[in-house]
Amino acid sequence: DQQVKQNSPSLSVQEGRISILNCDYTNSMFDYFLWYKKYPAEGPTFLISISSIKDKNEDGRFTVFLNKSAKHLSLHIVPSQPGDSAVYFCAARHVDMRFGAGTRLTVKP
Amino acid sequence: DAGVIQSPRHEVTEMGQEVTLRCKPISGHNSLFWYRQTMMRGLELLIYFNNNVPIDDSGMPEDRFSAKMPNASFSTLKIQPSEPRDSAVYFCASSFQGTMNTEAFFGQGTRLTVV
Repeated sequence: DQQVKQNSPSLSVQEGRISILNCDYTNSMFDYFLWYKKYPAEGPTFLISISSIKDKNEDGRFTVFLNKSAKHLSLHIVPSQPGDSAVYFCAARHVDMRFGAGTRLTVKP
Repeated sequence: DAGVIQSPRHEVTEMGQEVTLRCKPISGHNSLFWYRQTMMRGLELLIYFNNNVPIDDSGMPEDRFSAKMPNASFSTLKIQPSEPRDSAVYFCASSFQGTMNTEAFFGQGTRLTVV
């Protein structure tokens, strides 16, 4: 039962452009949403989060948007940089924490 | 703090052998998660502990898998007997669960290969 879904396994963007990563969830009990970034041979690292009482949270080049009615969230990275190339995981918490399958972002110089 | 510490980093074992993965969470954290990373399902939650008590183990794939948390600073994930399809990267994560949710911090993972 995949409660958190990332339907795009990969995304490629040009340096300087915007990267938009999407995530959908099914469990309306989730009240906290997170994005993690993962490099090969490392554990995921926390990037940004949003509470269900908000619809937007911004941290530098990273912004997360939450649409509760659509059960959808997205991560915007602007401008994208080659160092942003990694796998990005969407996660959702109620008590435990569930992850999507990840999206591999490639930012081309 | 050194962060979440997992051992070993790599484990190669023969089918049928017992495998034990270890995790030391961040001091002060009261929640601990075990995940398995696969291509198809991404980070799959295996089991979740809160205050050393297993809260949700519905993700544990089979009876061959078991997890314990004897105290706040140590947890193990055991596979007995191991099978080739158990080959994956296993992650442990910890967080502080209070009145509000917070982010979890991950260890470096254990890459398990069962031959």
